Amino acid sequence: GNSVTQMEGPVTLSEEAFLTINCTYTATGYPSLFWYVQYPGEGLQLLLKATKADDKGSNKGFEATYRKETTSFHLEKGSVQVSDSAVYFCALSVSNAGNMLTFGGGTRLMVKP
Amino acid sequence: EAGVVQSPRYKIIEKKQPVAFWCNPISGHNTLYWYLQNLGQGPELLIRYENEEAVDDSQLPKDRFSAERLKGVDSTLKIQPAELGDSAVYLCASSIQGNEQYFGPGTRLTVT
Repeated sequence: GNSVTQMEGPVTLSEEAFLTINCTYTATGYPSLFWYVQYPGEGLQLLLKATKADDKGSNKGFEATYRKETTSFHLEKGSVQVSDSAVYFCALSVSNAGNMLTFGGGTRLMVKP
Repeated sequence: EAGVVQSPRYKIIEKKQPVAFWCNPISGHNTLYWYLQNLGQGPELLIRYENEEAVDDSQLPKDRFSAERLKGVDSTLKIQPAELGDSAVYLCASSIQGNEQYFGPGTRLTVT
């Protein structure tokens, strides 16, 4: 089956620190990979995505590279801000499963000023 | 463009009572999803609709949960009777032909 494993949180960083949130996956078929963000009291928002190996998704200073050889899609940002405090979810979808999203457990990021 | 609308945002009920959640997807989105998100976990799919047809309901506990999307637009998810373990956030999402999914804010259910 399909599964996503991401590092447990919370991750606590000071403003302007470098962020890495690890994500690995297993999938039957060729998955598309996603990072979603959930701010307090809000719904999930798509942050970035990659649909094939070696693609790099990027948005708002965040980026992640689809690594097929290591089945990973780690999220990085060079300099976090307090406003980045949220829960981040790694997810995958496979077209032969109706593009159903399979999510990891989420990683809470807290950025202190 | 309006996003996915869900109501109510919060609901508190006693166990064994029925409860219903409503979702209005983005206009023109034919695919609608209901997800369950337990505290501290990622969302899990309950049911997926293509227009008015439920094409994947394998994860829906059919003894107490039901869903409908009669006209292929808005949808209702019902629990009857609710149990303590049903306390969670119920998320609705929509997409065009199964592409990028847009999520609503969710309904937080507390069963006491």
